[in-house]
Amino acid sequence: RKEVEQDPGPFNVPEGATVAFNCTYSNSASQSFFWYRQDCRKEPKLLMSVYSSGNEDGRFTAQLNRASQYISLLIRDSKLSDSATYLCVVNIDQKVTFGTGTKLQVIP
Amino acid sequence: EADIYQTPRYLVIGTGKKITLECSQTMGHDKMYWYQQDPGMELHLIHYSYGVNSTEKGDLSSESTVSRIRTEHFPLTLESARPSHTSQYLCASRGPTTGELFFGEGSRLTVL
Repeated sequence: RKEVEQDPGPFNVPEGATVAFNCTYSNSASQSFFWYRQDCRKEPKLLMSVYSSGNEDGRFTAQLNRASQYISLLIRDSKLSDSATYLCVVNIDQKVTFGTGTKLQVIP
Repeated sequence: EADIYQTPRYLVIGTGKKITLECSQTMGHDKMYWYQQDPGMELHLIHYSYGVNSTEKGDLSSESTVSRIRTEHFPLTLESARPSHTSQYLCASRGPTTGELFFGEGSRLTVL
């Protein structure tokens, strides 16, 4: 079993739709959690950190469920520019583990 | 914007050549990482460093080597490149407080 698992997609959604991604992690000692965005042939960039209390940044909401060991990302009112691969990242001490990524395609 | 730089951005070389991919950051981060990523595929950690004179191999076996003589510099070397080394190589450093990873723009290597 992979340490961090994501549905690879692709998720094809119309503009304006709400889409949610989940990510599960296997190590209960995981300490910090992030969502990164990676555009085609570009480097990953931090989208948002994920806190136990949940956090929101504009149209994006991230949540952490430690009991079930998953994190989620909700995107409301999808824009064409949201098309990218979304990477779940889990840290334990010094170790950084990436999920395989979920590809999102927002369609006009 | 993150202050982490990779050179060269693109490199096409013949089999058997020795190459070094450069990575430098000006943020004073101790932790640095090298990832390998094929198009449309996941990131694989190949090397990491927790500070000067500290280097470790990552999850994916790699024929490359790294060094960390200075905090700001983390070069990756392939002694004898092969077509199987064709890939994108991404360097990153990690902030001490938030744990955020900052990536360079990548070095896209093609071995003929």
